[in-house]
Amino acid sequence: AQSVAQPEDQVNVAEGNPLTVKCTYSVSGNPYLFWYVQYPNRGLQFLLKYITGDNLVKGSYGFEAEFNKSQTSFHLKKPSALVSDSALYFCAVRDPNRDDKIIFGKGTRLHILP
Amino acid sequence: DSGVTQTPKHLITATGQRVTLRCSPRSGDLSVYWYQQSLDQGLQFLIQYYNGEERAKGNILERFSAQQFPDLHSELNLSSLELGDSALYFCASSGLSGGTGELFFGEGSRLTVL
Repeated sequence: AQSVAQPEDQVNVAEGNPLTVKCTYSVSGNPYLFWYVQYPNRGLQFLLKYITGDNLVKGSYGFEAEFNKSQTSFHLKKPSALVSDSALYFCAVRDPNRDDKIIFGKGTRLHILP
Repeated sequence: DSGVTQTPKHLITATGQRVTLRCSPRSGDLSVYWYQQSLDQGLQFLIQYYNGEERAKGNILERFSAQQFPDLHSELNLSSLELGDSALYFCASSGLSGGTGELFFGEGSRLTVL
């Protein structure tokens, strides 16, 4: 069965510094990978996805993620953090060889310090 | 605004009771996903429907059931409620079969079981 892990419950970054939110996955074949963001008292919002092609995927709000098949990782990155990036971030995976199930990690809370 | 509507936004009920949560997907989206979000369990996949048919199932309790109607809205029924069922329940829709597309989430229904 597919699974996804976000090893950090919380990440603190100073404003203006680069940020990385880590995600690793486990699927039987080639994964479909997603990042979502959740602001307080709101639903999740899509940031970016990797289906196939270029390993570096660019998404909304200046975020990008790098797919690394050998390390089974899909880390979320941004070159320069903003205070407004503070939120809960979820990585998600689908194994297209199985079914339409999309599994989410437990989430990483990102704090950007002014 | 994601275009996904969930009702009710808040619900308080007692143990042993039954509730129904309703979801209207984005116009034109055929796929509906249900998730449960709690503090200790993160975002748990419950079930997915595509054009009225069940496509994928997660660790959904037998006390829970769902369906998708011909007009594509979906309902999640929770019965014999327990304190541990208190959570935020999200519905999400997608326009693409097979899970390659991003999910659009509603604002959630917050269930409190007393």
